Amino acid sequence: NAGVTQTPKFQVLKTGQSMTLQCAQDMNHEYMSWYRQDPGMGLRLIHYSVGAGITDQGEVPNGYNVSRSTTEDFPLRLLSAAPSQTSVYFCASGSVGRTEAFFGQGTRLTVV
Amino acid sequence: DAKTTQPTSMDCAEGRAANLPCNHSTISGNEYVYWYRQIHSQGPQYIIHGLKNNETNEMASLIITEDRKSSTLILPHATLRDTAVYYCIVRVGGSSGSARQLTFGSGTQLTVLP
Repeated sequence: NAGVTQTPKFQVLKTGQSMTLQCAQDMNHEYMSWYRQDPGMGLRLIHYSVGAGITDQGEVPNGYNVSRSTTEDFPLRLLSAAPSQTSVYFCASGSVGRTEAFFGQGTRLTVV
Repeated sequence: DAKTTQPTSMDCAEGRAANLPCNHSTISGNEYVYWYRQIHSQGPQYIIHGLKNNETNEMASLIITEDRKSSTLILPHATLRDTAVYYCIVRVGGSSGSARQLTFGSGTQLTVLP
């Protein structure tokens, strides 16, 4: 019963490097979202998807790209990492038939 | 989504009820109140939600005032494992609203004391 799985758990990048944060869910949920959480703050929505092939921007989308080619996966791409993107990233999923969102355990990203 | 106001922090003795307040005076008629918690930087966990009636589940109870401008989350017998940041979120809900987009404030840091 995996739920929402995020990889990697920790990552250190140099400024300007690119990388993809992976998120997979095995609950056949329609909705998937990415959030970032800076120290002492609540989560902020980056991008979300309501189904395969459909994505939309959240509150803080700049510097991030997403795609949703399958129901299960929703990767988050950083094309050119910046120190301001140092944060903890959470992926979440949810279903039309369920009220609650299910969150992964997070990816702790440091950009130096 | 309606704005919410929560105290920054609260303490509660282990075994006692923890009552966490939330003000949402601009809530609209079709907006629900959701509660999530985040234990020690883990991913947030759904607790409970409601529209206008009081709700109870295995984790907590939710009391919503008659005018819906405020609510209280009640953990009936708090344990040390309930120490967490508790978020009150108001948004259009029902079966599709909560899971898709959530707006988190700073929440309330609840510390359960032994």
